[in-house]
Amino acid sequence: ETGVTQSPTHLIKTRGQQVTLRCSSQSGHNTVSWYQQALGQGPQFIFQYYREEENGRGNFPPRFSGLQFPNYSSELNVNALELDDSALYLCASSLGPSGYGYTFGSGTRLTVV
Amino acid sequence: EDQVTQSPEALRLQEGESSSLNCSYTVSGLRGLFWYRQDPGKGPEFLFTLYSAGEEKEKERLKATLTKKESFLHITAPKPEDSATYLCAVGSGTGTASKLTFGTGTRLQVTL
Repeated sequence: ETGVTQSPTHLIKTRGQQVTLRCSSQSGHNTVSWYQQALGQGPQFIFQYYREEENGRGNFPPRFSGLQFPNYSSELNVNALELDDSALYLCASSLGPSGYGYTFGSGTRLTVV
Repeated sequence: EDQVTQSPEALRLQEGESSSLNCSYTVSGLRGLFWYRQDPGKGPEFLFTLYSAGEEKEKERLKATLTKKESFLHITAPKPEDSATYLCAVGSGTGTASKLTFGTGTRLQVTL
């Protein structure tokens, strides 16, 4: 059974640029959720994808967007990067949108300079 | 709005010195109270899910309990390898959608 894998592990971007982060869900999981974790804070919910559609969103602006593909993998896109976007971005997959079996990846560390 | 508060923020224990971590919460429609362990630079590692008041779960030196307003993570005779940040989260949502709302965590350091 493969776990949740995220790529890249680290990324440095310049303010104003765009970034795409990738996530492969755990085998058998069809739902992906994305979280942002600032240093010293708990993860904050960005959005959830189920059946290739956004299925719930937290308090994040529209420049945070996502995709889910037929194989259940997902992308998180962030446009017009700001310094405050620097954080650990975590992907979690689950068996269904109710969150059963929620499993996190190791995250992508994004630094915006 | 769902809220989770964890205390203490940091805890330093000697090996073998038992203690408890607290998680108080307010949530509309609880869909589980979750405990995770997180090592520096890593993603959260699942420990427990509790669904109803009075429920208890154990794993090695850890035991989680749940009331209607709080959850406790009891650590019995901790070892240095238990050093990590422990995160508490409440599950909630509407319809098919769900999310976790996390606290800021308790940083645990266990020394010899």
